[in-house]
Amino acid sequence: EDQVTQSPEALRLQEGESSSLNCSYTVSGLRGLFWYRQDPGKGPEFLFTLYSAGEEKEKERLKATLTKKESFLHITAPKPEDSATYLCAGTSSGNTGKLIFGQGTTLQVKP
Amino acid sequence: ETGVTQTPRHLVMGMTNKKSLKCEQHLGHNAMYWYKQSAKKPLELMFVYNFKEQTENNSVPSRFSPECPNSSHLFLHLHTLQPEDSALYLCASSLGQGIQNEQFFGPGTRLTVL
Repeated sequence: EDQVTQSPEALRLQEGESSSLNCSYTVSGLRGLFWYRQDPGKGPEFLFTLYSAGEEKEKERLKATLTKKESFLHITAPKPEDSATYLCAGTSSGNTGKLIFGQGTTLQVKP
Repeated sequence: ETGVTQTPRHLVMGMTNKKSLKCEQHLGHNAMYWYKQSAKKPLELMFVYNFKEQTENNSVPSRFSPECPNSSHLFLHLHTLQPEDSALYLCASSLGQGIQNEQFFGPGTRLTVL
């Protein structure tokens, strides 16, 4: 069964304290790995898509990387406005457009 | 209005009520999705429509009935719901159904079933 698991479930950082969020997946024939950000009371906001192992993408303080078994979302020198729940999702070759989501990591950055 | 809008934002209904959720996208997309987000559980895909045709039903109970009259509008008709159906229902759209087309989400409808 296709599955996506995120860790940790929750993460508290001080402003400026860099860290990484993990997304491990067992998705047959992974075609794409997606990262979303979700703020309270809002829908998820698209961040990145990664298609193959070794690929990296960056946006401001965020960098997403992908290996054959997992993806990392690195947060460099975070600010309080980076506080949100970060969701990871995968899609397989047999499910065009169908995203399999992890349960998310809730990040809190304190000033 | 821009992006993906959903109405109502909050809904409380009894188990015998019938209600509908509405989603509208202003992005010119062709694919639309319904997701369920329960507390402490991953986002769960319910239905997918591509060019108004249903292409995915993720074993959703028949008390949830989707309708897609055109590529810009998506409805979820609700009847005889159970308390465990209480959740955030999210609508999303994408240009197409391929993996290259990122999905844009609406703000969701918070549903409470009494």
